[in-house]
Amino acid sequence: QVRLQESGPGVVRPSETLSLTCTVSGGSVSGYYWSWLRQSPWRGLEWIGYIYYTGYTNYNPSLKSRVAISEDTSKNQFSLKLSSVTAADTAIYYCATGELLHDTWGPGIMVTVSS
Amino acid sequence: DIQMTQSPSTLSASVGDRVTITCRASQSISDWLAWYQQKPGQAPKLLIYKASGLESGVPSRFSGSGSGTEFTLTITSLQPDDFATYYCQQYSSYSTFGQGTKVEIK
Repeated sequence: QVRLQESGPGVVRPSETLSLTCTVSGGSVSGYYWSWLRQSPWRGLEWIGYIYYTGYTNYNPSLKSRVAISEDTSKNQFSLKLSSVTAADTAIYYCATGELLHDTWGPGIMVTVSS
Repeated sequence: DIQMTQSPSTLSASVGDRVTITCRASQSISDWLAWYQQKPGQAPKLLIYKASGLESGVPSRFSGSGSGTEFTLTITSLQPDDFATYYCQQYSSYSTFGQGTKVEIK
C-alpha cells in the first residue's frame, strides 16, 4: 500500500519560493501520476498540478506561471515549487496519487506565508 | 473553469437517517465526478469515482448517481463515523472541487 508524506518549511516569506517534497513509500514513483493539491478557507480545495513518471507535467491554468513539479526517482520523491508567494498561498498542501482522481493522500503540511 | 456548486452547505441529521447531497456543474462533465469525505485534521478520502463507482473498502451505504450537470451522493443509513464534510470534484476538464457539505449531528 502506497503511503505519502509531505515535508518542507512551515513558513515562507512573501515573494519567495515555496518548496515542498513528497516521499513515496510502499511503491515506486515510476509508472504513475503524482499530484499536488492545497486547501484553504478562502479557496477551498484546489488542484495545483501533476507529474507523470516520464517527466510530463500539467498545471492548473490559474497557477501555471508560478508552479513547477519535478520528481527524483533515485529518492522516490516528487516536489513542488511555487514562486512569488503571497498571503493568499497560505494553505494546507497535500501530495496525492493520480493525475486528477486521487485515491491516496499524504496527511498534509500547513504552509504559512508571512514575513 | 468549470464551477461546482454543492447544496446544502450544512446538513443536520441523526444516526440512521437517509442523507442526500447535491452537486451541480456549471457545464456538462458527463460522469467525470468524484466524491470525497474529509474529517477534521485529515486529508480527503475518495468515496465515489465516475459518478457512481464505489471505491474499494467504502461501505455500500454510500452511493452516487447523476450525469451531465447534476449529481447526488446518498448515504442510506447514516452512521456515527459518517459525520464529516463531503466534497464533489469534477475531473472532466482539469479539476475543480465543490465548496463542501458539512454533515453534522442533529
